Amino acid sequence: DSGVTQTPKHLITATGQRVTLRCSPRSGDLSVYWYQQSLDQGLQFLIQYYNGEERAKGNILERFSAQQFPDLHSELNLSSLELGDSALYFCASSVATGATGELFFGEGSRLTVL
Amino acid sequence: QKEVEQDPGPLSVPEGAIVSLNCTYSNSAFQYFMWYRQYSRKGPELLMYTYSSGNKEDGRFTAQVDKSSKYISLFIRDSQPSDSATYLCAMSAQSSASKIIFGSGTRLSIRP
Repeated sequence: DSGVTQTPKHLITATGQRVTLRCSPRSGDLSVYWYQQSLDQGLQFLIQYYNGEERAKGNILERFSAQQFPDLHSELNLSSLELGDSALYFCASSVATGATGELFFGEGSRLTVL
Repeated sequence: QKEVEQDPGPLSVPEGAIVSLNCTYSNSAFQYFMWYRQYSRKGPELLMYTYSSGNKEDGRFTAQVDKSSKYISLFIRDSQPSDSATYLCAMSAQSSASKIIFGSGTRLSIRP
């Protein structure tokens, strides 16, 4: 158990809809990262928050947004969903922001868009 | 061309065999190298971390980095069925976790 909690584990929705994925980082970790994992693209970095502020952006679509709340949990909002958004979405947390630090991943939220 | 290339497998070997997993990369600036293990329906977990070139050993696992060839390897000795998982290589040029580039993973199966 990594200590990172993600909900929901599975989500099935229709094209055009909006969903929210939630992540609670490990106790004490200030950084939260969101990743998308699909069969053809592998693990792609979307966005990072550090202590409530956006720290880095990766390949995140404009239809996607995220935030980190004062209690450090984070939410990833996906809107105007398309079939191609079907993927596993992982949240990871770390104490700091360096590459030398270990990323602790949650078990992921599997999104299926029909 | 992807920055990090990894053979997706699947790779199936008998229990007790030595396993070699590899990645190649194109960015010569990469200096932080990692291997993550991902079990089915779980998130990745850090297995090995290496800075710059050289070898690092941890129990049955050895990570090798050859920067001149832009090639990294993970060796698993005395492989066990519990080693069956997908192995992701990962690397970064900067000391920033947001800059880590992951390989697409190699599926490994250890036959009892």
